[in-house]
Amino acid sequence: GQQLNQSPQSMFIQEGEDVSMNCTSSSIFNTWLWYKQDPGEGPVLLIALYKAGELTSNGRLTAQFGITRKDSFLNISASIPSDVGIYFCAGQLGNSGSRLTFGEGTQLTVNP
Amino acid sequence: DGGITQSPKYLFRKEGQNVTLSCEQNLNHDAMYWYRQDPGQGLRLIYYSQIVNDFQKGDIAEGYSVSREKKESFPLTVTSAQKNPTAFYLCASSPPRGSRGQPQHFGDGTRLSIL
Repeated sequence: GQQLNQSPQSMFIQEGEDVSMNCTSSSIFNTWLWYKQDPGEGPVLLIALYKAGELTSNGRLTAQFGITRKDSFLNISASIPSDVGIYFCAGQLGNSGSRLTFGEGTQLTVNP
Repeated sequence: DGGITQSPKYLFRKEGQNVTLSCEQNLNHDAMYWYRQDPGQGLRLIYYSQIVNDFQKGDIAEGYSVSREKKESFPLTVTSAQKNPTAFYLCASSPPRGSRGQPQHFGDGTRLSIL
């Protein structure tokens, strides 16, 4: 099946620094999603991307849908301690109702 | 408020015992999903259902069973055939096919442990 490679696996940064993580796929997707998961909770949707080349922001978060439809990145600017968590990318080939393929996550630690 | 409710939050199973995890949604979503998450890993799809009375196997369906008798409910049974059931289980739902801009939303999970 389809596979997503998400990197880096973990990051340790100082508060105030910018962060970048990305996902690459062996095949194309029509939708890219970025989720954040706090310990013991379910993932929460951060940003959804629906068009190749699309660049979307949500506060300090910015994500882009790669022009080849095989990759996406997420940037976090001016990190704060509450940014700590696991960030997952997910790709979807069809419309809503079709299955997602998840990356293995990026564990982010922010030192105050 | 609309959302996805998973219960219980924590569940313990004895060897050889079947257990059922509950997932209920009041979002009027047609599609529902079950994922398994192991420590330090991503989400793996167990089963999914796009409409009532229909469901499909995901990538790791062995040792699990589901039913979809009602639109709002999608219970997952972890059977005794699942030899390594200790994990965090997540339920999700999404609107029907063709509904753009409505990605999957997740419940808060059930942590299953073996006694």
